[in-house]
Amino acid sequence: QQPVQSPQAVILREGEDAVINCSSSKALYSVHWYRQKHGEAPVFLMILLKGGEQKGHEKISASFNEKKQQSSLYLTASQLSYSGTYFCGTERTGGSYIPTFGRGTSLIVHP
Amino acid sequence: EPEVTQTPSHQVTQMGQEVILRCVPISNHLYFYWYRQILGQKVEFLVSFYNNEISEKSEIFDDQFSVERPDGSNFTLKIRSTKLEDSAMYFCASRQRPGTDTQYFGPGTRLTVL
Repeated sequence: QQPVQSPQAVILREGEDAVINCSSSKALYSVHWYRQKHGEAPVFLMILLKGGEQKGHEKISASFNEKKQQSSLYLTASQLSYSGTYFCGTERTGGSYIPTFGRGTSLIVHP
Repeated sequence: EPEVTQTPSHQVTQMGQEVILRCVPISNHLYFYWYRQILGQKVEFLVSFYNNEISEKSEIFDDQFSVERPDGSNFTLKIRSTKLEDSAMYFCASRQRPGTDTQYFGPGTRLTVL
């Protein structure tokens, strides 16, 4: 069962912040975040494992709330290069450990 | 940094023809995957492969699809008789271990069925 991402799209000006959410109806073992630019492959950003961890990657960070079965990706002081579609991929506890991807959130950063 | 490679980058074929998409996973990875992405849609899982056999497949991966690891480096996806709806981007991915390790995607093969 695929995770649900929100919002579907975000339009920002450079320097603004954004939050992208990913939620699942099933207990999760891990959450993966990827960014995909048009016509390119998804690029790995980070993986969060159960235990409620947070991770950071430059000005992009994420949290994983295992109890709520959701993860959030935080983009601070956005740059033009952040534009793209962000996908979360979730792996269920007790599942086959194959990420199932959400429909993606389109992020557009304007100058 | 090691990367997953895929060939060709773009394949155009006639409906009903067979195509083989090729992937070279990262060398010390043990788990291999094929995904499909129809234009503008989400990435969909097709099949996973471990220890020279299919470990899981989705409902999309029907009898017209097959995968093979013919040697120690290549991992192939064959579509026996292509349909128009097979037109999509096909991504190969590999991983050292499931659950905790990063899954790396290749650059993809764009398949166009005419």
